[in-house]
Amino acid sequence: DAKTTQPPSMDCAEGRAANLPCNHSTISGNEYVYWYRQIHSQGPQYIIHGLKNNETNEMASLIITEDRKSSTLILPHATLRDTAVYYCIVRSGGATNKLIFGTGTLLAVQP
Amino acid sequence: GAVVSQHPSRVICKSGTSVKIECRSLDFQATTMFWYRQFPKQSLMLMATSNEGSKATYEQGVEKDKFLINHASLTLSTLTVTSAHPEDSSFYICSAVNLLFTGELFFGEGSRLTVL
Repeated sequence: DAKTTQPPSMDCAEGRAANLPCNHSTISGNEYVYWYRQIHSQGPQYIIHGLKNNETNEMASLIITEDRKSSTLILPHATLRDTAVYYCIVRSGGATNKLIFGTGTLLAVQP
Repeated sequence: GAVVSQHPSRVICKSGTSVKIECRSLDFQATTMFWYRQFPKQSLMLMATSNEGSKATYEQGVEKDKFLINHASLTLSTLTVTSAHPEDSSFYICSAVNLLFTGELFFGEGSRLTVL
């Protein structure tokens, strides 16, 4: 699986949009971009995933560049409960393929 | 979303004993489950892939005789830490893949093991 690069930490003001970047310059054509988050001492929570088109759900939006070498997760109106470590992962399609976690970005939402 | 449940959420045991952790998919069938370990302030490390009805596949460096995995049904996988030692103290997390796979992998709440 391709490796990803994320900033180790970011701050965001409550109520503002949080934009979390991820670089995955070695991604291959059949690899999806996944985002998970982990709140302290809990299991990871699925946020969103995409292949090449931008995706949006009730939690977030995922913007993937045209060359697919980077992506941005957008939380449109961050709240204090969004403080967590956010993981960007690339993964081959297929049910049994593994999720390999990197170091992630610690997002701290400030009041 | 789909629910994956782990039990127990916390366990404390004496050194040398064995501990079993269960991972259940509550509202879907899972042919594949993954087991992870997480030390404080570190990321999740994949330990093994558990396939229903067959042997687990372990990642490099993970001792299969130390961490026994059984996936006897489509809704249950178990991880047994045998002859536990203090260095096995960690947060253990499972993930399950829905048979009707739509791309998401769902995680349990995690089990915190403390070995005294």
